[in-house]
Parts: sequence; C-alpha cells; structure tokens
Amino acid sequence: EVQLLESGGGLVQPGGSLRLSCAASRFTFSAFAMNWVRQAPGKGLEWVSAISGSGSSPYYAESVTGRFTISRDNSKNTLYLQMDSLRVEDTAVYYCVKEPKRGLPNFDAFDIWGQGTMVTVSS
Amino acid sequence: QSALTQPPSVSGSPGQSVTISCTGTSSDVGSYNRVSWYQQPPGTAPKLIIYAVTNRPSGVPDRFSGSKSGNTASLTISGLQAEDEADYYCSSYTSSNTYVIFGGGTKLTVL
Repeated sequence: EVQLLESGGGLVQPGGSLRLSCAASRFTFSAFAMNWVRQAPGKGLEWVSAISGSGSSPYYAESVTGRFTISRDNSKNTLYLQMDSLRVEDTAVYYCVKEPKRGLPNFDAFDIWGQGTMVTVSS
Repeated sequence: QSALTQPPSVSGSPGQSVTISCTGTSSDVGSYNRVSWYQQPPGTAPKLIIYAVTNRPSGVPDRFSGSKSGNTASLTISGLQAEDEADYYCSSYTSSNTYVIFGGGTKLTVL
C-alpha cells in the first residue's frame, strides 16, 4: 500500500524554524509531484507548496513565499518543508500529499495523504 | 484569493440523498474541469473521492457523484449511510498564482 509518513512537527516560538520530513514508500517517488497542505485547528484545508518530481520546480502559496522552502531527495524517497520566520498563523496540521499524475504539479487532485504532523507556533 | 464557497453544514437521514455545493468564479471552477472532492472523517486525513469533476478513484462507492454547472460544482451522496458522516471539501485549480484553492468545508450529519 502506498504510504506517506510525516515527521518533524512540534512547538516553536514565533520567528523560529522547523523542518518537516515526509517518507514515501511503495511507489516510484521520483515520478510524481508532491505537495504540502495544512489545516489550522478547527479550520479548512490550505495548499502550501508543491514540487515537481525532479525537484527542479517549486511552487508556493503567497502566505508562505519567502519563508518556506520545499525540497526533495529522490534517493531517499523523502520530501521536506523548511519553515523559517514562523508566525502564530502557521499553526496547523501539515499533510504531505501526492498527486496522481507524473511530472510537474497539476494542482487538480491529491490522491494520497499522510497522517499529518502538528506544528504549533506559540510563545 | 478567497476560498470556494460551501455550505457550513448539511444533513440527511439514512437512505436519503444530499447535495453539497461548491461555488467559485470564472478563474477557477467556471473555467476548468479540475474540481476535486475530499472526505475527512473526524480525526483523520482527507481522502480523495471525486476528481476532474465527475471521476471516482478506485474503491470509492458509486453512491458518490460529482457535477458542475457554470461556477458551481456539486457533490451528491445517494443512499446515505452512517459512515458518510464527515467533513467534505472541494478544491479547484485556479489561474491565479494560488494554483489551487479549497472550499471552506461542509459538515455532513447523518440523522
């Protein structure tokens, strides 16, 4: 069964940094675009970032541009999200999400979701 | 860019049908057949149930169906079952630099 397993969440002070990881298994990781989607407590879903299968093309939501960096290591089947200059409003569960089509992100469907990792930004 | 508009809640009795709407603009739902729907039971991750407006992934019951008219997409669940109780979210590709936009979510209660 295709699986995504996030890690790296936790409590951090405003202005701090955190690095999320997502370990993928049982599919050809390098072939598929990957995304991060977050959900604030009791709120809806918000797309955060995407990256092409090769890792050469990153995309970001306006709310995180300049503060977050998405990357991937296809040799380790792992997706990352480096989060800097964190704000209280970044508090959320962060989901690692796979797209069903190969290559560049299509932004139109997310077929596999991890269980999520909680990030809390608070003083 | 604002989220797609969904009703906060809908309800129905077992065996009945319910429809959840998702209203966007000509920059997203109205111009692209790239609408998806996700089911999220409490305490779990979202699950893809409809993609490309009308298509069901393997394993999703045919009780779930999608459609679109103009700037509004809809998810219909027929033959409601207790296990359908969950939050439902729509999403669409958007031509804005947001790339993808979600609805605010709809809580389905099975009475």
